[in-house]
Amino acid sequence: QQQVKQSPQSLIVQKGGISIINCAYENTAFDYFPWYQQFPGKGPALLIAIRPDVSEKKEGRFTISFNKSAKQFSLHIMDSQPGDSATYFCAATLGGTASKLTFGTGTRLQVTL
Amino acid sequence: GAVVSQHPSRVICKSGTSVKIECRSLDFQATTMFWYRQFPKQSLMLMATSNEGSKATYEQGVEKDKFLINHASLTLSTLTVTSAHPEDSSFYICSGLAGQETQYFGPGTRLLVL
Repeated sequence: QQQVKQSPQSLIVQKGGISIINCAYENTAFDYFPWYQQFPGKGPALLIAIRPDVSEKKEGRFTISFNKSAKQFSLHIMDSQPGDSATYFCAATLGGTASKLTFGTGTRLQVTL
Repeated sequence: GAVVSQHPSRVICKSGTSVKIECRSLDFQATTMFWYRQFPKQSLMLMATSNEGSKATYEQGVEKDKFLINHASLTLSTLTVTSAHPEDSSFYICSGLAGQETQYFGPGTRLLVL
């Protein structure tokens, strides 16, 4: 059972454009929602994370929007750059950051020149 | 951020042999380490959670006798794939956790079983 659904599966964005990746979760007990960036052959790296008590968090070009009532959250990458080309995973945990992560299915982002 | 290393980065072995993968936290003590498996173009699936000095907790469907996990110190956890078969070929990734902090992932180990 996939508890965190992610879309789209792949995304092509022109340089300078906005990349938007969406996730939806089922378990209302989830209380921490991180996003990870993974380059080929590498482990995932934490990009940005949010807790359900806020609706938006911004760090540089990366913004998470969180809609608790809809059980959805999304990652926005502003001014997308070719170096942003990677696979992005959303995730959710029960009990905070120290708990096991449930990952979304991943989105392969390609930023073209 | 904290650094987690894995060794080897890639390994090729014959079917039926055992392979050991090491996961080390280089600049922090990891009270908990997680082991994930990732098949090509798929998401990470948690295999097991290990706490230093105690037995690992395996996720449903993961054979504990096939995937042996040892977390003997606060900086080292090992995953041994016993009697490996081609279907075990995958990308194995560990993560380390210090207290209540964020999980830091290793670079992964690509296993190919011939």
